[in-house]
Amino acid sequence: QITLKESGPTLVKPTQTLTLTCTFSGFSFSASGVAVAWIRQPPGKALEWLALIFWDGAERYNPSLTNRLTIIKDASKDQVVLTMTNLDPVDTATYYCAHRINTDDAFDVWGQGTMVAVSS
Amino acid sequence: SYELTQPLSVSVALGQTARITCGGNNIGTKNVHWYQKKPGQAPVLVIYTQSNRPSGIPERFSGSNSGKTATLTISRAQGGDEGVYYCQVWDNSVWVFGGGTNLTVL
Repeated sequence: QITLKESGPTLVKPTQTLTLTCTFSGFSFSASGVAVAWIRQPPGKALEWLALIFWDGAERYNPSLTNRLTIIKDASKDQVVLTMTNLDPVDTATYYCAHRINTDDAFDVWGQGTMVAVSS
Repeated sequence: SYELTQPLSVSVALGQTARITCGGNNIGTKNVHWYQKKPGQAPVLVIYTQSNRPSGIPERFSGSNSGKTATLTISRAQGGDEGVYYCQVWDNSVWVFGGGTNLTVL
């Protein structure tokens, strides 16, 4: 059974850097095709894909945020970490990590999400 | 950048069939996936690659994709089907979500 869980701060000040950790179980980055993504949802708004990392370390970023995002994996800890720089109140959202179906580009299992507020 | 267009809201009578559409340029050439999102809960994948149902998703949920529109169909709609439904595609190494459709079961 695949599970994912997000962790990180609930409140961040504007201009600061956000670091979120996704800890997962039930799969491993040692398997070809595995990928984990970060997706967010601001209050009252739509889902927005942020970044994704593949089993081989390849990274993909939302073009509108690429200069602010970094995604890395720690296979030894079964974790994926997302950092977002220069936070703004518009970045207030629930942040989810999700497992990508190995043979497709859909996300079949999601974490519960973690709410992050950006405010001074 | 690729964009997906969904109606803001769809209403359906209890027990009837709901259809939620998703439009995009040449969407018929893409794999379309659908998620159900309820308040306070994580999104749930209900259809992937046009018409495949993940384990645990009722047969009442089905999908199709042709021409300019992909469609999520929910037969015999129930109150528990209420929520916001998002379509999603992959386009040129970018994962794109639609704006979401709020489904109300009357």
